[in-house]
Amino acid sequence: EDKVVQSPLSLVVHEGDTVTLNCSYEVTNFRSLLWYKQEKKAPTFLFMLTSSGIEKKSGRLSSILDKKELSSILNITATQTGDSAIYLCAVEVYGGSQGNLIFGKGTKLSVKP
Amino acid sequence: SQTIHQWPATLVQPVGSPLSLECTVEGTSNPNLYWYRQAAGRGLQLLFYSVGIGQISSEVPQNLSASRPQDRQFILSSKKLLLSDSGFYLCANKLRDRVTEAFFGQGTRLTVV
Repeated sequence: EDKVVQSPLSLVVHEGDTVTLNCSYEVTNFRSLLWYKQEKKAPTFLFMLTSSGIEKKSGRLSSILDKKELSSILNITATQTGDSAIYLCAVEVYGGSQGNLIFGKGTKLSVKP
Repeated sequence: SQTIHQWPATLVQPVGSPLSLECTVEGTSNPNLYWYRQAAGRGLQLLFYSVGIGQISSEVPQNLSASRPQDRQFILSSKKLLLSDSGFYLCANKLRDRVTEAFFGQGTRLTVV
């Protein structure tokens, strides 16, 4: 069965810290990996990764996919209280029995002032 | 651009009452559509997904059902709600044949009392 595992499940840091969130996957027919940030309502899209080793970057957030290790990391530098959220990793597969889009359980990040 | 509408935003229903949540998509055609449920502070649990009109796949046995009467309409229903049905329900759509992100509706917070 296809699965996506995120770690840690929760994390508490102080403003200014740098954090690394992990996402590993075991799927057949990998298509893409997506990162989302969820605050109170709908998840908002951060990055989509399809090729190994290419870093996607937006401001203080960046992400890399390692297809050999079947994993991805999301880095947040100089964290702010506004970064507090649940970060969701999802893997899209071709075909599959789970609707093609498989989510991990998320990492709950709390940034304290 | 794609827009996904989901309503209502909040709902309080007594145990044993019926449920109908609606999701409609604009700006695209023939999408994959998904219903997810999220417990407080946790990841997304896939409930149903659909690849076309009348085509529904269920991932979790429960007293919920889904229907797709039109290409861009996805409905989540229940004949009799249970307390355990409380949660945050999210509808999502994704283009079937393109490597793009999934888009989410704003969600419905359901409280069964």
